[in-house]
Amino acid sequence: NAGVTQTPKFQVLKTGQSMTLQCAQDMNHNSMYWYRQDPGMGLRLIYYSASEGTTDKGEVPNGYNVSRLNKREFSLRLESAAPSQTSVYFCASSRGGQGSNQPQHFGDGTRLSIL
Amino acid sequence: DAKTTQPPSMDCAEGRAANLPCNHSTISGNEYVYWYRQIHSQGPQYIIHGLKNNETNEMASLIITEDRKSSTLILPHATLRDTAVYYCIVKKGGNQFYFGTGTSLTVIP
Repeated sequence: NAGVTQTPKFQVLKTGQSMTLQCAQDMNHNSMYWYRQDPGMGLRLIYYSASEGTTDKGEVPNGYNVSRLNKREFSLRLESAAPSQTSVYFCASSRGGQGSNQPQHFGDGTRLSIL
Repeated sequence: DAKTTQPPSMDCAEGRAANLPCNHSTISGNEYVYWYRQIHSQGPQYIIHGLKNNETNEMASLIITEDRKSSTLILPHATLRDTAVYYCIVKKGGNQFYFGTGTSLTVIP
């Protein structure tokens, strides 16, 4: 049972390059999320999707776009990478829809460095 | 979402119960208590959550005081693999989990 799978696990980009981080879940969950984790900052929500076909901004959406391709997949795109986007990116999913109290389940992250 | 307070670090002997406290004195009636842990370089792992009743699953037990102002996560027989940062989060229905600094638990052989 894979849970939440993120690809790639590691990536190095140059400033200005674009990149799409992939996330897929096999738990038939309705909601999916993208977070970033920086040292001393905790996790911060970038975007979320409460159901297939909908996406909404989180706390730190600037510089990112997302696509909820289908119920299983939620991708995060950096159009023009900047050094400030160097971070560990986590994807999560939960069974409930918007406002649900269901817990979120996380992938193992993508470690992204922007030079 | 209510603020939580946890000790920054704790030690526990292998095989003993680890009791991790969390204070959430400003919790409101519809806010749940969630516990996650993060082992170095991995994603946060969901452990357990509850509203007001004590909860138990295969990983841990969650004890919530009657006034709901504090809770304790209990790992009944700690192993070296339980060494991690443990996060207590209080959240009502909504989309973001706010992870603070948590408690760094070290299980000692």
